[in-house]
Amino acid sequence: AQKITQTQPGMFVQEKEAVTLDCTYDTSDPSYGLFWYKQPSSGEMIFLIYQGSYDQQNATEGRYSLNFQKARKSANLVISASQLGDSAMYFCAMREGVGQAGTALIFGKGTTLSVSS
Amino acid sequence: GAGVSQSPRYKVAKRGQDVALRCDPISGHVSLFWYQQALGQGPEFLTYFQNEAQLDKSGLPSDRFFAERPEGSVSTLKIQRTQQEDSAVYLCASSLILGVSYEQYFGPGTRLTVT
Repeated sequence: AQKITQTQPGMFVQEKEAVTLDCTYDTSDPSYGLFWYKQPSSGEMIFLIYQGSYDQQNATEGRYSLNFQKARKSANLVISASQLGDSAMYFCAMREGVGQAGTALIFGKGTTLSVSS
Repeated sequence: GAGVSQSPRYKVAKRGQDVALRCDPISGHVSLFWYQQALGQGPEFLTYFQNEAQLDKSGLPSDRFFAERPEGSVSTLKIQRTQQEDSAVYLCASSLILGVSYEQYFGPGTRLTVT
């Protein structure tokens, strides 16, 4: 079974609009972390935002916020006021057993976001 | 400050050749990860080092893949007798062993094309 599911292969949004990128996850570990990364065409993975399984509040970082619904096992990324530079591939990822530095990230298949003017 | 660097950025190899991919992590980062990213897919874990110790190599797809980090800093991923299915972007990431979120910082990747 997929541990990270991103069901939207591509999303299209106009500048200044908000967009939500979906992510659902599957784990039986009570301790885990959820990450969103951006990968522009240059290829580098850029960290955007992190949410811990025990965090009470949804994470926010500037224009990025994470809509964390633990019971539904979803961790959607919300980008407010989209910019042309937001056009990229976006990956949701999970680490199980947070606190163990050696645990690798498990990635979804990604969502391509295209922002138009 | 300097981020994670990888070299070469692009590598074309003929089927059957050996290749070596290099990763320079962020100075002081204890943990180092290698991932393989096929075209249009998310990265997949290959192997993990804590300092010079390779603690997890469960993601290496075959015994043709070998990784080392002899002095606990620079790491090399070696692929012997390359096959076409090895064509992918190989990403290196490093992280501090301490920290709340253990964020992994990624390098730009090496794009390997096997012809």
